[in-house]
Amino acid sequence: GIQVEQSPPDLILQEGANSTLRCNFSDSVNNLQWFHQNPWGQLINLFYIPSGTKQNGRLSATTVATERYSLLYISSSQTTDSGVYFCAPKRSGAGSYQLTFGKGTKLSVIP
Amino acid sequence: DSGVTQTPKHLITATGQRVTLRCSPRSGDLSVYWYQQSLDQGLQFLIQYYNGEERAKGNILERFSAQQFPDLHSELNLSSLELGDSALYFCASSVNGRGGNTIYFGEGSWLTVV
Repeated sequence: GIQVEQSPPDLILQEGANSTLRCNFSDSVNNLQWFHQNPWGQLINLFYIPSGTKQNGRLSATTVATERYSLLYISSSQTTDSGVYFCAPKRSGAGSYQLTFGKGTKLSVIP
Repeated sequence: DSGVTQTPKHLITATGQRVTLRCSPRSGDLSVYWYQQSLDQGLQFLIQYYNGEERAKGNILERFSAQQFPDLHSELNLSSLELGDSALYFCASSVNGRGGNTIYFGEGSWLTVV
């Protein structure tokens, strides 16, 4: 199956700082989603981004499918941004129907 | 709110028992996925159904089974439970079965086996 590597595994930020999270994947994809898992365990959809760039408030994401990576940008971080961020691509092609999750980046934003 | 509903939210049961987790997909979604999140294995795909039929199978144990009913809700049955089955179980849904559209996750069912 597709291999997914997320970096860094852990990140500690001061409130107000910016950060970039990276996701590398091993195959061509036709779906890639970023999620935020909050401290209560909820998985919150951030972006559906198999290619291109999207922005939603302080968050933006870019996927360069030809080079097999995706980036999640968090600007002006807030304590509520703390949690684990997952990248989950889906390999394109026959026989692949589900997302494969990376191990996540654990973000801690301190006041 | 993703529109995917899972029940129960929390469940504590003893080893050797059997439990059923229930999932209602978003309105209009035909595909349902089940995932298991444990501390040591991360988020693992278990099984997918599309319009009542099994579409894909992942790391699902033989003690576990699932089905999707005509009204499109799904149930995940876990039997002969072991301590290691303690995990957060997610259901997700999407409009089609090919996975190329946004897949929405429910809030999960926390299972504790004691």
